[in-house]
Amino acid sequence: DTGVSQDPRHKITKRGQNVTFRCDPISEHNRLYWYRQTLGQGPEFLTYFQNEAQLEKSRLLSDRFSAERPKGSFSTLEIQRTEQGDSAMYLCASSLVGGTHPNGYTFGSGTRLTVV
Amino acid sequence: AQTVTQSQPEMSVQEAETVTLSCTYDTSENNYYLFWYKQPPSRQMILVIRQEAYKQQNATENRFSVNFQKAAKSFSLKISDSQLGDTAMYFCAFIHRDDKIIFGKGTRLHILP
Repeated sequence: DTGVSQDPRHKITKRGQNVTFRCDPISEHNRLYWYRQTLGQGPEFLTYFQNEAQLEKSRLLSDRFSAERPKGSFSTLEIQRTEQGDSAMYLCASSLVGGTHPNGYTFGSGTRLTVV
Repeated sequence: AQTVTQSQPEMSVQEAETVTLSCTYDTSENNYYLFWYKQPPSRQMILVIRQEAYKQQNATENRFSVNFQKAAKSFSLKISDSQLGDTAMYFCAFIHRDDKIIFGKGTRLHILP
C-alpha cells in the first residue's frame, strides 16, 4: 500500500486549455474525494465518489469541471477552458466507509495547477 | 449547515513550549467526528488526532491532545514539548457520519528554535 497517488504533481497551462488530473486511492478504499485548496485557505470540497457512483458535487464545481471514477478505482478530474481563478492545489483523498466509524481521510500530495 | 472556525490565522512559539490551537464548530447533529490535520510545507495532509463526539474522554496521541467541549462546540488542540517538525498548517475538521469532511481555514504554526 503506497498511499494515495496524484499525477501530475505540478501543471502549468495556458488559459483556455483543458487539463486532466489523476488520483489513485488506497486500493481497498471505497470512497474518493476531490478538494481544492487555494493559498492560505482550508481545503474546499468539490465532489466525492463511493465506488464508481458520484454521490455529491459542490456548487464550486462549475460545468467546466467533471470527475469520473469509471471502475471504482482511480479517478480523474478534468477542467475544461481553464481560467486563472482555477489556479489552486487539487487534493484527492480516500477512505474506507462502512459502519459508523470513519477513520478520517488519507490524502495525496496534490496537484498544483497554475493557469497563465 | 456545518461550519468550522479557527480564529488564529498564525501562531509562533519557542521550541519545547506548549501551544494550544483553537477551533469551534457549528452543527445541529449529535453524532459526529472531529479531526485535527497537519499540513507541512510539503503539502500532504496528515491526520494528527481524532475525537468521536459520543466519547467524553479527550483523545491523546503522544504529545498531541485535545480539549473537547461538546456543549460549547469547542475542539482545541494542545501540542506539548513542541518540536521544529511541528511547524505546519493545522486544520480542524468535522464529519457527520459518512458525509464529507468540512475543514476550517487553518492556523499556521511556527516553532522557533
